[in-house]
Amino acid sequence: GAVVSQHPSWVICKSGTSVKIECRSLDFQATTMFWYRQFPKQSLMLMATSNEGSKATYEQGVEKDKFLINHASLTLSTLTVTSAHPEDSSFYICSARSVLGTYEQYFGPGTRLTVT
Amino acid sequence: EDKVVQSPLSLVVHEGDTVTLNCSYEVTNFRSLLWYKQEKKAPTFLFMLTSSGIEKKSGRLSSILDKKELFSILNITATQTGDSAIYLCAVLIFGNEKLTFGTGTRLTIIP
Repeated sequence: GAVVSQHPSWVICKSGTSVKIECRSLDFQATTMFWYRQFPKQSLMLMATSNEGSKATYEQGVEKDKFLINHASLTLSTLTVTSAHPEDSSFYICSARSVLGTYEQYFGPGTRLTVT
Repeated sequence: EDKVVQSPLSLVVHEGDTVTLNCSYEVTNFRSLLWYKQEKKAPTFLFMLTSSGIEKKSGRLSSILDKKELFSILNITATQTGDSAIYLCAVLIFGNEKLTFGTGTRLTIIP
């Protein structure tokens, strides 16, 4: 149980284009989903917290107009990287917290984005 | 600012050795400390520690939390090559449910 999927698992896009990454909780409902970014040989940095049906809360230094987050249902959150630049190339990971109230976060397998 | 620091940053040992990984934290409104193992993809959950002094154990892995001294250790006994990974420590804060991750320890087990 507690499986989180991400799609796509990897994507290459050209500079200036937008990319959408999906995060789904497959066998549970998630009130809250989190989006992280991980650069090579670095730890996970939280980008934003999204709650179903409300606006995402972004961490300091993360541009909300560049990283659009939508949490339309209890099983799906999307992250759209708009007008991507090579410095946006990174490993993006989502996690989900169950509606059942435990504080454990279940991580998706991650999406590797390369912007050329 | 909340801070989680892991040591060592990297560790190379031979198969069969025992290792101890450290995690110290300075945060406001501590709720729990979590350990994750990250291989090539996203982290997989190992332990969640909320109470001080109670060891959690899973096979060759064990962990304990000291809330007075603000640290936790993760022990791996009889290490195997499959234990090679980055081990991440994260602290969960009351109220906002956010995880603050440490820098990670890269563990390499040599056959």
